[in-house]
Amino acid sequence: GAVVSQHPSRVICKSGTSVKIECRSLDFQATTMFWYRQFPKQSLMLMATSNEGSKATYEQGVEKDKFLINHASLTLSTLTVTSAHPEDSSFYICSATPRAGQGNTIYFGEGSWLTVV
Amino acid sequence: QKEVEQDPGPLSVPEGAIVSLNCTYSNSAFQYFMWYRQYSRKGPELLMYTYSSGNKEDGRFTAQVDKSSKYISLFIRDSQPSDSATYLCAMTRSGAGSYQLTFGKGTKLSVIP
Repeated sequence: GAVVSQHPSRVICKSGTSVKIECRSLDFQATTMFWYRQFPKQSLMLMATSNEGSKATYEQGVEKDKFLINHASLTLSTLTVTSAHPEDSSFYICSATPRAGQGNTIYFGEGSWLTVV
Repeated sequence: QKEVEQDPGPLSVPEGAIVSLNCTYSNSAFQYFMWYRQYSRKGPELLMYTYSSGNKEDGRFTAQVDKSSKYISLFIRDSQPSDSATYLCAMTRSGAGSYQLTFGKGTKLSVIP
């Protein structure tokens, strides 16, 4: 079946530094990818919608200059947390949808745990 | 009122019990409904995907949708300890072209051997 891979699965970074998380669709082309954040014991909260070849659409309250999203190809989207702070520590999950004709299901990555110290 | 309401639990049941998980929603524009299972520190895994009122069965899992009441359910028969996880309901306004999911908070289920 379709697989969405996220890397790294776990990262610890120092406050003030930037960290990049990759989301790859391994066996399908994804025109749209979504980035979610999940705090402990909370549901997934949509951060942004990433469309290949265009700017991401951010949800209200999500700082686009802090959470940089790049969807440079049909199989890769990246989320860069810039100038990370401890309150950015969270579980970040991406999901991807196959392009038309390749499936009608939303696939999730395994998630990336970010800890900012 | 939140768009999707889901009791966070925790819900604890003995092995072999029938589990009932539920969500209510307020927006009648939601047309497609999903149930995801999320193990601790893992990404969500799709269990069921439905778009019409009624029941859909897959093995030990049955998804039920009642659009008139804006109520969806997931039933797990013969529950196993391996079913212990958080179950999230999710829904979208359209099945084609828009895959933006709105999630419930998730219900944490523990199946006791």
